[in-house]
Amino acid sequence: EVQLVESGGGLVQPGGSLRLSCGASGFTFSMYWMSWVRQAPGKGLEWVANIKEDGSEKYYVDSVKGRFTISRDNAKNSLYLQTNSLRAEDTAVYYCVRYDSNGEGYFDNWGQGTLVTVSS
Amino acid sequence: IVLTQSPGTLSLSPGERATLSCRASQNVFRNFLAWYQQKPGQAPRLLIYGASSRATGIPDRFSGSGSGTDFTLTISRLEPEDFAVYYCQQHGSSWTFGQGTKVEI
Repeated sequence: EVQLVESGGGLVQPGGSLRLSCGASGFTFSMYWMSWVRQAPGKGLEWVANIKEDGSEKYYVDSVKGRFTISRDNAKNSLYLQTNSLRAEDTAVYYCVRYDSNGEGYFDNWGQGTLVTVSS
Repeated sequence: IVLTQSPGTLSLSPGERATLSCRASQNVFRNFLAWYQQKPGQAPRLLIYGASSRATGIPDRFSGSGSGTDFTLTISRLEPEDFAVYYCQQHGSSWTFGQGTKVEI
């Protein structure tokens, strides 16, 4: 069974930083693209970032470029999101998501999410 | 690409048919259109990918159709557990979601 478990969320002041982590199990982590998707309280879903199997390609939504960095450690079956210069509008539940292996662009397994709250 | 879902809220009874619409501002690349279900306090769950293929374990009362810019998710007979919010999502030059349709009793 695929399991994705996020951690690292919390309350942070505007301009601060957090490092989100995701532990993966139940599949061969190193063979999948991985993603982060977020959801502001009471709002819809927003794709944040993707990373290729070997970490050689990364893509970001425009609103986080230059502030967030996605990375992975295949030896530890772990995905990360370094979030810097946080703003109030970054407040959201951040989901660790497995990207489909067929290259068709969908997200086939989701973690339960970790809440990031940016507030003074 | 902007995805617009309609209606915003669909009020139906168990046993009824639900028809949800997702319209794209441009053609969706190779019809790479997916649908997700989200219940309160839970993560989204993949229902449909490639516009019409059901994901593993999804009941056959869920079906997807459409191509180009117009896509539909149909739930043939609503079960009590189907009342939730549904999102469409596309992959073209980027990855975007619709704003969601809430199916309520």
